[in-house]
Amino acid sequence: QKEVEQNSGPLSVPEGAIASLNCTYSDRGSQSFFWYRQYSGKSPELIMFIYSNGDKEDGRFTAQLNKASQYVSLLIRDSQPSDSATYLCAVNNDMRFGAGTRLTVKP
Amino acid sequence: DGGITQSPKYLFRKEGQNVTLSCEQNLNHDAMYWYRQDPGQGLRLIYYSQIVNDFQKGDIAEGYSVSREKKESFPLTVTSAQKNPTAFYLCASSPWAGRDSPLHFGNGTRLTVT
Repeated sequence: QKEVEQNSGPLSVPEGAIASLNCTYSDRGSQSFFWYRQYSGKSPELIMFIYSNGDKEDGRFTAQLNKASQYVSLLIRDSQPSDSATYLCAVNNDMRFGAGTRLTVKP
Repeated sequence: DGGITQSPKYLFRKEGQNVTLSCEQNLNHDAMYWYRQDPGQGLRLIYYSQIVNDFQKGDIAEGYSVSREKKESFPLTVTSAQKNPTAFYLCASSPWAGRDSPLHFGNGTRLTVT
């Protein structure tokens, strides 16, 4: 079975720091990658998607994709307490999600 | 406003009863999905549908059934055969059934079976 793996955390960073979230995948043919944010008790919402190797930036968020090493990461710059949530990685070939990484940003 | 509506938000049932969760979208999306989420866990795919009158099993389809008679609707029935049905159920849709199509989620239904 194709797998998507994330460190479950929890990951704790101080306010203003950079939070780094990682995701690895097993299917070398994967072509599209998505990061979703899920607040406690709520449904996931799309943050970013990336299709090509390299970096993609959107405000304080940067997605990084390395197909050769089969990982995709999400960097959150200037982390805020409102960023505290679970971050889910999805590989879109077959709509599978990683288990998610719980991030806590401490004031 | 366009979106995905799941109802009800909370649902309580006795063990042995079938229950149907509603999912309606007015986004004109082709593809629809059902996921299950257990506390502290990720999302697991139950069923998905890429087009009306067609659907495929996901990773944990046993004990569940779906229908896709209309583009807008993708109801999920949790049958008595599902051994541990208590969970948070999420419905999602995407504009097209392609690998580059992001998901839009409904607000979810929390099902408790006692």
